[in-house]
Amino acid sequence: AQSVTQLDSHVSVSEGTPVLLRCNYSSSYSPSLFWYVQHPNKGLQLLLKYTSAATLVKGINGFEAEFKKSETSFHLTKPSAHMSDAAEYFCVAYSGGGADGLTFGKGTHLIIQP
Amino acid sequence: DVKVTQSSRYLVKRTGEKVFLECVQDMDHENMFWYRQDPGLGLRLIYFSYDVKMKEKGDIPEGYSVSREKKERFSLILESASTNQTSMYLCASSPAQTGVTDTQYFGPGTRLTVL
Repeated sequence: AQSVTQLDSHVSVSEGTPVLLRCNYSSSYSPSLFWYVQHPNKGLQLLLKYTSAATLVKGINGFEAEFKKSETSFHLTKPSAHMSDAAEYFCVAYSGGGADGLTFGKGTHLIIQP
Repeated sequence: DVKVTQSSRYLVKRTGEKVFLECVQDMDHENMFWYRQDPGLGLRLIYFSYDVKMKEKGDIPEGYSVSREKKERFSLILESASTNQTSMYLCASSPAQTGVTDTQYFGPGTRLTVL
């Protein structure tokens, strides 16, 4: 069975400093991987996705993520945090098979300190 | 822009009531999804649909049913609401025939409280 682990439930950074949100997956196959962001009282919005093309994926709002098969990781980064980045972030993996193949991580709450 | 709307942002119901949550998308997407979101558990898939009148169970279908009579509308039904169904419910849609690998577009959510 596939699983997605977001290693931190909360991450707090100062505005202007780098952001690192960690995600590890376990899957028998190379999955498609996604990062979504959810701002307060809003639905989820896709930040970026990896589907077996380039391992470094650039997304919206200056975020990027690198797929590392050897480490089974797909960490999300941003060089400089903005106050508007404060939100919940979800790592998602899909390894085929219809509904049973989609797995959401439990989420990481990103806090930006002024 | 893709728009996914949900009929209510907040809903309060009593135990045993039948509850309908409605979701409408305006981009002619084939796929639609219902999730529930609970603190510390992330999102869990309840049901999804690849096409009109088609439905497939997700991870936690017990206590729920769905209806898709028109392509743009996907309804989630709680036949007899219980307190453990108090949650945030999110609807999503995506354009691909292949299902879940394509970008999903989410509605704003319905926060359901069952008393």
